[in-house]
Amino acid sequence: KAGVTQTPRYLIKTRGQQVTLSCSPISGHRSVSWYQQTPGQGLQFLFEYFSETQRNKGNFPGRFSGRQFSNSRSEMNVSTLELGDSALYLCASSLGLHTGELFFGEGSRLTVL
Amino acid sequence: DQQVKQNSPSLSVQEGRISILNCDYTNSMFDYFLWYKKYPAEGPTFLISISSIKDKNEDGRFTVFLNKSAKHLSLHIVPSQPGDSAVYFCAASEGAGNMLTFGGGTRLMVKP
Repeated sequence: KAGVTQTPRYLIKTRGQQVTLSCSPISGHRSVSWYQQTPGQGLQFLFEYFSETQRNKGNFPGRFSGRQFSNSRSEMNVSTLELGDSALYLCASSLGLHTGELFFGEGSRLTVL
Repeated sequence: DQQVKQNSPSLSVQEGRISILNCDYTNSMFDYFLWYKKYPAEGPTFLISISSIKDKNEDGRFTVFLNKSAKHLSLHIVPSQPGDSAVYFCAASEGAGNMLTFGGGTRLMVKP
């Protein structure tokens, strides 16, 4: 069974631009969560989507947004990029809302210049 | 304010010996705890979890211990193998939800 797929794997943007990252969950998984990993802050929860609805949101500014489609695929968007947004963005899927066990993709590494 | 802390950034162990990775938390609302392993250029992989109603959970070579009064959990790997060399993250949630709070990670190196 295919794992969580994230695209693109690597990208470089400049300050002020926006970026969209995509995540395809494991087949049958309906919950998709997004995490940001940086050397200074570690792994931090961004948001979780289930049945096309945002269920939880972490402590990030409104420039970070996401959505989920009817096939459970998810996208996250970061607008007005800042240097501090450089990070590895990890998507994780799970069967439901309360499993705790997440299956992570390999991540999208964003560099903001 | 780090609610989940792994105070040892790295740990080196000889193959065949026990590896003990530690984690402390401050939020009393956390009631579900997990360990993830991460290899370079890969996403974290779930290892083992424990609910706050238990104090121990085993899965093969991996055992997680939870001390609620001390707000402390540990992961024991016995025996340690070179393939266990990775970064280990502990994580916590409220009600086994998918909103996890992660510790900073401990890099484990198992020497042959």
